[in-house]
Amino acid sequence: NAGVTQTPKFQVLKTGQSMTLQCAQDMNHEYMSWYRQDPGMGLRLIHYSVGAGITDQGEVPNGYNVSRSTTEDFPLRLLSAAPSQTSVYFCASSYGLTNEKLFFGSGTQLSVL
Amino acid sequence: EDKVVQSPLSLVVHEGDTVTLNCSYEVTNFRSLLWYKQEKKAPTFLFMLTSSGIEKKSGRLSSILDKKELSSILNITATQTGDSAIYLCAGGLNYGGSQGNLIFGKGTKLSVKP
Repeated sequence: NAGVTQTPKFQVLKTGQSMTLQCAQDMNHEYMSWYRQDPGMGLRLIHYSVGAGITDQGEVPNGYNVSRSTTEDFPLRLLSAAPSQTSVYFCASSYGLTNEKLFFGSGTQLSVL
Repeated sequence: EDKVVQSPLSLVVHEGDTVTLNCSYEVTNFRSLLWYKQEKKAPTFLFMLTSSGIEKKSGRLSSILDKKELSSILNITATQTGDSAIYLCAGGLNYGGSQGNLIFGKGTKLSVKP
């Protein structure tokens, strides 16, 4: 039972570098999403997808890009990393937009210097 | 603007105490109220409350949804050190938009001392 798998678990970037956070789920979930979690801010939605080929912006999308070419995978791309993107990132999925019970990955701790 | 507010933001108790965590919501097209427990890593699901299920219980944990007061409580009886975590409350939405299908509160950090 892999569930939602995120890689890497830790990453350090320099300002201006780009990278991709990987997320894969094996539960055939239609809905996938990316959150960032900062101290005192709770979980904030970055982008989400309701199925392959369909993505939409969340609350804090600037500086991030996503695509959904398959049901299983939903990578998050940082285009040009900034110190403000230092955070813990979580990928989460559910059966559909109207099914709110999210299953979370184990998170990626990202530091941008 | 949709929002979920949790109180208190942090709480320190001793083993054996009973605690009540609060969550209030202002959510357009409200569908459900969810509680998650977050220890060191990913949030894990505890309860989902809806119009058809306004009270849930699992062991020492229980939760009630008050749709009239737009609020929910999470009760933990006979607390143990393993209950130390951040407890997240989230409102389920009936549509997408910039909140997706869930809007989270900022969490309550519970510390249980031996």
